[in-house]
Amino acid sequence: QQQVKQSPQSLIVQKGGISIINCAYENTAFDYFPWYQQFPGKGPALLIAIRPDVSEKKEGRFTISFNKSAKQFSLHIMDSQPGDSATYFCAARVGNTDKLIFGTGTRLQVFP
Amino acid sequence: DVKVTQSSRYLVKRTGEKVFLECVQDMDHENMFWYRQDPGLGLRLIYFSYDVKMKEKGDIPEGYSVSREKKERFSLILESASTNQTSMYLCAAEERGANYGYTFGSGTRLTVV
Repeated sequence: QQQVKQSPQSLIVQKGGISIINCAYENTAFDYFPWYQQFPGKGPALLIAIRPDVSEKKEGRFTISFNKSAKQFSLHIMDSQPGDSATYFCAARVGNTDKLIFGTGTRLQVFP
Repeated sequence: DVKVTQSSRYLVKRTGEKVFLECVQDMDHENMFWYRQDPGLGLRLIYFSYDVKMKEKGDIPEGYSVSREKKERFSLILESASTNQTSMYLCAAEERGANYGYTFGSGTRLTVV
């Protein structure tokens, strides 16, 4: 099953709060899990990524948590800022290929 | 960093027209991709190419074809545009190695009337 299920579809967070976006997958052949950030009028841009042999990766205020046994991974944005307001996509790469399968996206709005 | 340029930001075409969407990358990357983005559906892969004159179908290739005559250029072709092909089209090039990832263009918003 080459699907990545993403939730929630939209998220409203107050400035300074924590934003959490979740993704789940079925295909155990996925070998790389990136998150992309997209601002209006722009293409998605790589934000942070993780491989399945690591349970957590942190870059600044952004953290990926990865649970291999549950086949779930999530993006945490600490101290959320209005400038983080964007659409976020999780993705998974099909092993031995270069294809990325994307989730359906989460629109994040951070209010002051 | 790889730069991916899509020639048109907005296009309006009539039903039945043949439509060409152009994408150019400024690095020597083999792999290029075309996705369409629709609300609630995320990004869905239409076609991809591993090298010049090579192409592979993605998940939703019906109604589309592609052309890759030069490494830096990957074109998406709508043979006979239909209203259900109204969408945002995104091109991407894949960077390998330490900076692995896709670089996307800014997208072409196509409206078929």
